[in-house]
Amino acid sequence: GAVVSQHPSRVICKSGTSVKIECRSLDFQATTMFWYRQFPKQSLMLMATSNEGSKATYEQGVEKDKFLINHASLTLSTLTVTSAHPEDSSFYICSAPRGRVGYTFGSGTRLTVV
Amino acid sequence: EDQVTQSPEALRLQEGESSSLNCSYTVSGLRGLFWYRQDPGKGPEFLFTLYSAGEEKEKERLKATLTKKESFLHITAPKPEDSATYLCAVQVRGGSEKLVFGKGTKLTVNP
Repeated sequence: GAVVSQHPSRVICKSGTSVKIECRSLDFQATTMFWYRQFPKQSLMLMATSNEGSKATYEQGVEKDKFLINHASLTLSTLTVTSAHPEDSSFYICSAPRGRVGYTFGSGTRLTVV
Repeated sequence: EDQVTQSPEALRLQEGESSSLNCSYTVSGLRGLFWYRQDPGKGPEFLFTLYSAGEEKEKERLKATLTKKESFLHITAPKPEDSATYLCAVQVRGGSEKLVFGKGTKLTVNP
């Protein structure tokens, strides 16, 4: 089946540094990738939608300069959290739409900013 | 505004004790309703997609149904390995492919 590989699974970084999260579609081409953030006991909140070869679309309230999204190829989308702060600590998940069979999710990245 | 509400927030069952999870939605037009299972620290795993009222789908001990206002996920004779958070999400007609998620129901099945 369709697989989205997400790395890293866990990352701890110092406040003020940047962290890059990668999502790769392994056996299909993902022209679109959704990026979600999930806080403990909360639902998945859509942050932005990346489209291969064009600028990402950000949801209201999400800082585009802080959460940089790049979708340079049909198999790779990246999310960079710039100048991370403790309040950015969360679980970040990517997802690629797969039509009638649903959406394939990455395994998630637990970001802890200290 | 499109909304998805899941209940209960948490549910504890004994092994073999059947029950149902609810997902009610308010959308301008439903393109599809999705059920996912999420284990701690992992991404959601696809279970079902439902498209029209009256539709039902089954997979092992799980059965999903859909009406014009809500969906139910029925769990028959659950086992401890069914313990997880079950997420409901809707895709809105005429919009992008993005999903709107509910907060989920955390199911615990005790042996």
